[in-house]
Amino acid sequence: DIQMTQSPSSLSASVGDRVTITCRASQSISSYLNWYQQKPGKAPKLLIYGSFSLQGGVPSRFSGGGSGTDFTLTISSLQPEDFATYYCQQSYTTPTFGQGTKVDIE
Amino acid sequence: EVQLLESGGGLVQPGGSLRLSCVASGFTFSNFAMNWVRQAPGKGLEWVSVISDSGGSTDYADSVKGRFTISRDNSKNTLYLQMNSLRAEDTAEYYCAKDRGRSHGTSFDYWGQGTLVTVSS
Repeated sequence: DIQMTQSPSSLSASVGDRVTITCRASQSISSYLNWYQQKPGKAPKLLIYGSFSLQGGVPSRFSGGGSGTDFTLTISSLQPEDFATYYCQQSYTTPTFGQGTKVDIE
Repeated sequence: EVQLLESGGGLVQPGGSLRLSCVASGFTFSNFAMNWVRQAPGKGLEWVSVISDSGGSTDYADSVKGRFTISRDNSKNTLYLQMNSLRAEDTAEYYCAKDRGRSHGTSFDYWGQGTLVTVSS
């Protein structure tokens, strides 16, 4: 199986900050990388698919990039509703998720 | 509006069985692959299984292979997960998730609210 490693595991930030989360695959996955947001007690929500394509209804402050083994999720200006846990997921082979990155209030 | 409603979770003893269901609405169910994804309490997400749009192709995580069976009834817009030989480590919230594609796990654009499975004596 392809292993997905996110960094950092957690971060503290303030409203208005620019936040970047990275995800590294154990082998090349081309652009088969997706990002999800999960809030406590809720189901995950798809934010980005195919490394950089924004899912419908997702604010444009979210952006994704990368290919091969290294990927990023960037929130350009953190909003109060963005405090959550973020997961990357590869869809190159049998799906696997990263361990998650918790974004909380500084 | 796309809706996925899971049911069937509960408390079961180790070695027991449980069948989860997920009723879909708001989209053409027979045009999309469907997945089960689980999350142990306080832990991350783990993909469990996928079934193609027609039901003719399935795949499983190694952790459940040989014990779980995914199926679907397109006439009833319903996805199932038959879980046998349950272990304590199967304790988790189980989510039904719609795939963006037709045949295998790609990205999951809609999720149900989850159903909790607890395996304990």
